[in-house]
Amino acid sequence: GAVVSQHPSWVICKSGTSVKIECRSLDFQATTMFWYRQFPKQSLMLMATSNEGSKATYEQGVEKDKFLINHASLTLSTLTVTSAHPEDSSFYICSAPDDGDQPQHFGDGTRLSIL
Amino acid sequence: AQSVTQLDSQVPVFEEAPVELRCNYSSSVSVYLFWYVQYPNQGLQLLLKYLSGSTLVKGINGFEAEFNKSQTSFHLRKPSVHISDTAEYFCAVTHSGGYQKVTFGTGTKLQVIP
Repeated sequence: GAVVSQHPSWVICKSGTSVKIECRSLDFQATTMFWYRQFPKQSLMLMATSNEGSKATYEQGVEKDKFLINHASLTLSTLTVTSAHPEDSSFYICSAPDDGDQPQHFGDGTRLSIL
Repeated sequence: AQSVTQLDSQVPVFEEAPVELRCNYSSSVSVYLFWYVQYPNQGLQLLLKYLSGSTLVKGINGFEAEFNKSQTSFHLRKPSVHISDTAEYFCAVTHSGGYQKVTFGTGTKLQVIP
């Protein structure tokens, strides 16, 4: 069964709204989680590294004020897309390493469509 | 820094024919290597992984890959493809040790022709 749960799996909303995506590790603790974004017909690109109890680390070109990451517990990281616009429409996937085991566990992804 | 190159963006192949999807990586440290498959509108499914040991690794659905350190390659092969293998395939790399990010290649679309 899934060891990383991502919710919601699909969301459609109007331009200007904020959307929160959750990533949960189900049977292990994850001090670090990763958030990726995949545009249509493209590869997965790392957006940010989520660290429990501290600030997230963002990749170059990713706006930290637009993509808010909160890793408040050892099993939950959230990604909030603030004031979403159509260009933010994408497939967002999280991953979490389990005590260094390989591979990391990936969520099933969230398809975000902004109208 | 690490990087992954998948030179072939699309690979058409007839059903029951063999296929090889190419992957080359670059890294200054030891790495772990993976192949994932992604079907339309779905998440990632792990096909196989190389962590250490035998350089020939076997995965699910009849796929296998060979790690070649001297050529920094990790090509994916299948001796006989099926229509159901039509999908996007991603090669990925991460540094060994610790909690490291995964770097993905640009993907190869495998199109199996009946």
